Amino acid sequence: EIVLTQSPASLSLSPGERATLSCRASQSVSTFLAWYQQKPGQSPRLLIYDASSRAPGIPARFRGSGSGTDFTLTISSLEPADFAVYYCQHRNNWLSLGFGGGTKVEIK
Amino acid sequence: QVQLQESGPGLVKPSETLSLTCTVSGVSISTYYWSWIRQPPGKGLEWIGYISSSGSTNYNPSLKSRVTISIDSSKNQFSLKVNSVNTADTAVYYCARLKQIWFDYWGQGTLVTVSS
Repeated sequence: EIVLTQSPASLSLSPGERATLSCRASQSVSTFLAWYQQKPGQSPRLLIYDASSRAPGIPARFRGSGSGTDFTLTISSLEPADFAVYYCQHRNNWLSLGFGGGTKVEIK
Repeated sequence: QVQLQESGPGLVKPSETLSLTCTVSGVSISTYYWSWIRQPPGKGLEWIGYISSSGSTNYNPSLKSRVTISIDSSKNQFSLKVNSVNTADTAVYYCARLKQIWFDYWGQGTLVTVSS
């Protein structure tokens, strides 16, 4: 079973600052990794798939990178709407999917 | 546009069966894979399983013995059953479309509480 570990668990930043979120896989997932944003009381929203492709309608300030076991979601300049919890998600083969534990981005 | 809506009881007694249905609109259920995901209060996301339009399924190994996902193409719906529930099954349950291996459309979620 592949485990995704997200760090840090929480991040306190101000609007306009850069956010850097990490997701580490216990074994290689190639580029089969996605990122989601979840705001309180809402469903998760797909941001990034295939490690670095933005989903339709996602602003360019969201950038995904990485391959193998180490992945990063970068938000270049935080806007008020970006304060939320972010999850990474993988597939290790067609038979199994899973999520990381999440990183909460809070307003400083 | 694609919309998903979960429905079912919000309260289930311990040891009984949790049953939820997801109604899909804006797209035929026959053209994608469909999935259930849950989120205990204040915690992270847990993938439960998925079903293809032809009815083939795959489940999270940690839940496999208690979970069944089925599909009704005539109603554009798919369903979830979790047997022998306990308080640890209390969660918001989401249905979602699985495109390739990503969840691109989600329902709003429904809270299911397991309590006597």
